Amino acid sequence: GAVVSQHPSRVICKSGTSVKIECRSLDFQATTMFWYRQFPKQSLMLMATSNEGSKATYEQGVEKDKFLINHASLTLSTLTVTSAHPEDSSFYICSAIGTPQETQYFGPGTRLLVL
Amino acid sequence: GENVEQHPSTLSVQEGDSAVIKCTYSDSASNYFPWYKQELGKRPQLIIDIRSNVGEKKDQRIAVTLNKTAKHFSLHITETQPEDSAVYFCAATSGAGNKLTFGGGTRVLVKP
Repeated sequence: GAVVSQHPSRVICKSGTSVKIECRSLDFQATTMFWYRQFPKQSLMLMATSNEGSKATYEQGVEKDKFLINHASLTLSTLTVTSAHPEDSSFYICSAIGTPQETQYFGPGTRLLVL
Repeated sequence: GENVEQHPSTLSVQEGDSAVIKCTYSDSASNYFPWYKQELGKRPQLIIDIRSNVGEKKDQRIAVTLNKTAKHFSLHITETQPEDSAVYFCAATSGAGNKLTFGGGTRVLVKP
């Protein structure tokens, strides 16, 4: 199946700093990637849809100026959490659509802890 | 938008027994229904999926059924093993763009 990687796997930062998370499709090209957030013992909540070469589409309630998404190539999307606060601490997971179409393959996730 | 409900939230079964998880969806236009297994701290792994033109699909011990009229679909795991213990999520596409809406998850515990 399709392989999706994420980096870093774990990050601890101070409140007020920014953190960048990378999501890569390793063996296929992904015109569309998705970013999810998952709090402990909860489901995956879609934050935004990342489209290569165009602006991301954010879900209702997600601040686009706080969660910056860039999808500059067919294999890389980045999520930057700006001015992070403790309530942003969560498990951030990306996914990419492989083949057949509609099948989403997930990255291993990034655990963010904001102190 | 799409709304997916999943039941039960927890399920404890004896090894060898079957496990059934049920989901309902709200958007009649949804046409793709994957199931993911997530172990603690790991990524969700696709275990089976079904499209709206099919009523049932089976892969070894795992099967999924879809009732489009009633807008519900179910995951069946037979001959459960301890390694089946995990959280299982159902999902449905919510229209254009292949966006998935996830159910709340079912924590399955298979007791040896």
